[in-house]
Amino acid sequence: AQKITQTQPGMFVQEKEAVTLDCTYDTSDPSYGLFWYKQPSSGEMIFLIYQGSYDQQNATEGRYSLNFQKARKSANLVISASQLGDSAMYFCAILNFKAAGNKLTFGGGTRVLVKP
Amino acid sequence: EAGVTQFPSHSVIEKGQTVTLRCDPISGHDNLYWYRRVMGKEIKFLLHFVKESKQDESGMPNNRFLAERTGGTYSTLKVQPAELEDSGVYFCASSQGSIPYEQYFGPGTRLTVT
Repeated sequence: AQKITQTQPGMFVQEKEAVTLDCTYDTSDPSYGLFWYKQPSSGEMIFLIYQGSYDQQNATEGRYSLNFQKARKSANLVISASQLGDSAMYFCAILNFKAAGNKLTFGGGTRVLVKP
Repeated sequence: EAGVTQFPSHSVIEKGQTVTLRCDPISGHDNLYWYRRVMGKEIKFLLHFVKESKQDESGMPNNRFLAERTGGTYSTLKVQPAELEDSGVYFCASSQGSIPYEQYFGPGTRLTVT
């Protein structure tokens, strides 16, 4: 079984500053993927970034980067130059590739509020 | 290209009633998933379709929940009879057969059972 832990239920960040959202995971499968999703107040889940367990480099997508520390089993999301539109819930998730099916296991989420 | 759509966006029903949620995946996506988030809890996997077949339904909470995917296109999730603890947001997601792990989510259906 796999598990995702997001220890920050909520946080404030000043506009234009960077913010790091913590995510630790637990899995016995050597082949897995880590995902971050954003859920704004409108409710939809928006895929942000993906990191494979065998990827040598940290994933980056625009202002989003994933600080992947495999030995520590952490996959923190870094949002650079925060914008007001970044205010949302953020979910970390894991998918084990060797397991049957493609189900994502999610953490409890972190609510980010960007202050002007 | 249209994204994943879900209907209704919000449903309020009384305990004991029946509700059917619908999900239309992205055109051409063979994989369709249902997830839900009950109040204050994590988003939990319910089941996974590959075309019209149930690949994994290990997350379905009990036999009051019935999911179908007619012809491998849209899917419905029926709750009958609804209980108070079924309240939450039900998400649908879809992915291509070639990249099954890139799941695109719909906006969710907020179900309130009173």
